[in-house]
Amino acid sequence: QKEVEQNSGPLSVPEGAIASLNCTYSDRGSQSFFWYRQYSGKSPELIMFIYSNGDKEDGRFTAQLNKASQYVSLLIRDSQPSDSATYLCAAATSGTYKYIFGTGTRLKVLA
Amino acid sequence: GAVVSQHPSRVICKSGTSVKIECRSLDFQATTMFWYRQFPKQSLMLMATSNEGSKATYEQGVEKDKFLINHASLTLSTLTVTSAHPEDSSFYICSAGKTGTGNTGELFFGEGSRLTVL
Repeated sequence: QKEVEQNSGPLSVPEGAIASLNCTYSDRGSQSFFWYRQYSGKSPELIMFIYSNGDKEDGRFTAQLNKASQYVSLLIRDSQPSDSATYLCAAATSGTYKYIFGTGTRLKVLA
Repeated sequence: GAVVSQHPSRVICKSGTSVKIECRSLDFQATTMFWYRQFPKQSLMLMATSNEGSKATYEQGVEKDKFLINHASLTLSTLTVTSAHPEDSSFYICSAGKTGTGNTGELFFGEGSRLTVL
């Protein structure tokens, strides 16, 4: 069974620190990886996507992908209280929109 | 970015009644839409894939006669929860992805519909 695993948390970090969120996936056929942020009672919103091994940076966010280790991570620099949310990792096979979602990691940024 | 609109955002109904939730792609055509259910503090569970002009594809364990999906146009999919019971109370979310060149594989999510069955 295809799975995406995340630590449910909560992960607590002080304001201004780096938050590191991790995700592993079981299907080696997965080629597209997505990080979504979900506030309580709201629908997910895309933070970043990554397809290639290595790092991808966008503002305070950096996604890292290691296909050999089947590992995806999201780093949030200069964490803000407004970053407090659940972060969902998703994997998809290339050419499909059928995501496999992880259970999400709850992040708390302490002011 | 692309917009997917979902309606209603909240609905409360009595046990035994049916509830319809609409999902619209406002600025792009979506041949495929997805319906998810999310219980508190759990992840999104894919219920079914809605295909324009054909039958929906349901995930294992999801009752197709209870969760009726209709995708009659390239911009609208509907989910009808038939004979709803309290255990159907959940957050239902739809999503759609663009097709064609240049698409990133990103799914665009509706705002979600919180169903409470009394």
